[in-house]
Amino acid sequence: LAKTTQPISMDSYEGQEVNITCSHNNIATNDYITWYQQFPSQGPRFIIQGYKTKVTNEVASLFIPADRKSSTLSLPRVSLSDTAVYYCLVGGPNTGFQKLVFGTGTRLLVSP
Amino acid sequence: EAQVTQNPRYLITVTGKKLTVTCSQNMNHEYMSWYRQDPGLGLRQIYYSMNVEVTDKGDVPEGYKVSRKEKRNFPLILESPSPNQTSLYFCASSLSISGFGRTDTQYFGPGTRLTVL
Repeated sequence: LAKTTQPISMDSYEGQEVNITCSHNNIATNDYITWYQQFPSQGPRFIIQGYKTKVTNEVASLFIPADRKSSTLSLPRVSLSDTAVYYCLVGGPNTGFQKLVFGTGTRLLVSP
Repeated sequence: EAQVTQNPRYLITVTGKKLTVTCSQNMNHEYMSWYRQDPGLGLRQIYYSMNVEVTDKGDVPEGYKVSRKEKRNFPLILESPSPNQTSLYFCASSLSISGFGRTDTQYFGPGTRLTVL
């Protein structure tokens, strides 16, 4: 499985854009990149998934450069309720979709 | 409402007393898995199941058992719990983990906080 590296924590203020970068140097050709969000004492929740270039949904954007060795989750205009842990996962059918490795994630703290 | 349910939500038990944490999903999902979450260690997969009667070990299977006799249920069994199994446990399910390059979204249950004394 491709190993991912994320910052342990990040701080932001309400209304700012937050970019969380994930490094995955050993990503395989068939691997997708998926981000989850977890609030305290709750299960993780899917945010966004992508394979290359840019993906956008109502919650976030995901930027993936051409070499796919990293990805950036972008949260526009964060609010206090975006305070959570964000996990970057990389996986695919050839590298073990079945075993999704969450790692320790990035703890985002949004302040007023 | 589509959901994953776990029971109990909280459990305090003693070393060696067998226990089962139930997990049920109403979305007809093929794939189910169990995770434990500990401070500083993130989420670690215990066991997963690709379909009925198909289960396999995750990263930390020691001390746990699972079964998948029905598609909707995936109980986690601790035959002889020990204090190092004190943790927050999550069950998750997804439609499938198949197809070229697609990770089907995993839906997580609310969690079971287990304390083994």
